Amino acid sequence: GEDVEQSLFLSVREGDSSVINCTYTDSSSTYLYWYKQEPGAGLQLLTYIFSNMDMKQDQRLTVLLNKKDKHLSLRIADTQTGDSAIYFCAESKSSGYSTLTFGKGTMLLVSP
Amino acid sequence: KAGVTQTPRYLIKTRGQQVTLSCSPISGHRSVSWYQQTPGQGLQFLFEYFSETQRNKGNFPGRFSGRQFSNSRSEMNVSTLELGDSALYLCASSPDRGADTQYFGPGTRLTVL
Repeated sequence: GEDVEQSLFLSVREGDSSVINCTYTDSSSTYLYWYKQEPGAGLQLLTYIFSNMDMKQDQRLTVLLNKKDKHLSLRIADTQTGDSAIYFCAESKSSGYSTLTFGKGTMLLVSP
Repeated sequence: KAGVTQTPRYLIKTRGQQVTLSCSPISGHRSVSWYQQTPGQGLQFLFEYFSETQRNKGNFPGRFSGRQFSNSRSEMNVSTLELGDSALYLCASSPDRGADTQYFGPGTRLTVL
């Protein structure tokens, strides 16, 4: 199957770290992505990781990939109120097609 | 570089009508994909175009169609609109075929009454 699953909601306090988790079922996935969507807006690419990597860090963002368990996580350090949004995990394959399969999204709420 | 642009941003139609949405990819990008986003089904892939050819299609009825022009701009058309077609339609562009990073536009919000 090609399902991507995420928890629906996460609430944190400003300054804390946030960890958003995702599981996928397709072992042939090549790239895994994290997108952010703010109300009324399109999807903003945050970061991505190639399937042969375990970790990728980009400023406040850290992506961890456990390929054996098909588990992907996004850690946001020092979470700010501006980070409040819906975060989508997505996978794609190197099949020659640019098709993304998305999770349902995790709503992150950051309180002051 | 300008990002992906989509027009119109908002659209209201009635059942039975048809609609055309437009997407201009990032300059130099040749692949354009379309996605439908609804609260119930989430983000679902509609189709992908590369060099004016449809390379992949999602599981949507034939009322949904698209095309790509020689300048990589793309349009999608929905005929005989149904209430369930109300959604945010997102366009994404990437430099080439394959698992390239996709950059999304702001979307067109379609409401069918």
